[in-house]
Amino acid sequence: EDQVTQSPEALRLQEGESSSLNCSYTVSGLRGLFWYRQDPGKGPEFLFTLYSAGEEKEKERLKATLTKKESFLHITAPKPEDSATYLCAVRRWGGYNFNKFYFGSGTKLNVKP
Amino acid sequence: EAEVAQSPRYKITEKSQAVAFWCDPISGHATLYWYRQILGQGPELLVQFQDESVVDDSQLPKDRFSAERLKGVDSTLKIQPAELGDSAMYLCASSLEEGTDTQYFGPGTRLTVL
Repeated sequence: EDQVTQSPEALRLQEGESSSLNCSYTVSGLRGLFWYRQDPGKGPEFLFTLYSAGEEKEKERLKATLTKKESFLHITAPKPEDSATYLCAVRRWGGYNFNKFYFGSGTKLNVKP
Repeated sequence: EAEVAQSPRYKITEKSQAVAFWCDPISGHATLYWYRQILGQGPELLVQFQDESVVDDSQLPKDRFSAERLKGVDSTLKIQPAELGDSAMYLCASSLEEGTDTQYFGPGTRLTVL
């Protein structure tokens, strides 16, 4: 069964305290793993796509990495404005010329000044 | 910067009533998605369109939900009748083509069923 699990559910950090968020997945035929940021009351905002094990992508204080069974979102020296829910999603072939997406439940990050 | 538009932003209705949500994707985007997001959970795909055609509606509760994208541009999602369990955020997203990386999400419609 296709499944995406994110941990922890919630994370509280002090400003400048680096940490990592985890996304583990079980899906056959992975065709991309996505990270999104979602602020309260808003739609998700795209951050990264990773395709193969060993791949890494960076954007400001965020770095995403991918292994065969999980992905990590590393946050280096976070600031209060990084507070949000971070969502992980996987894409696999759905058959008949379309892809299927599955989202995790997210990690709610709170960075205190 | 082009954005996905959704309306209304908020909707309060009583159970057994009909509700409709509208989405206007980014111009030129062929693929349109409707998601439902229950508070504290991740988005769940309800229906995916490629131009005006439905390519995946396997998770759409078809006894009460319907979706259309008649001219392959904007789309409407309808619930009739609404039930208490339908209270959620309904998100619309679009991408340039099916299989491209980036789905751009709209601000969502927050539905409350009383």
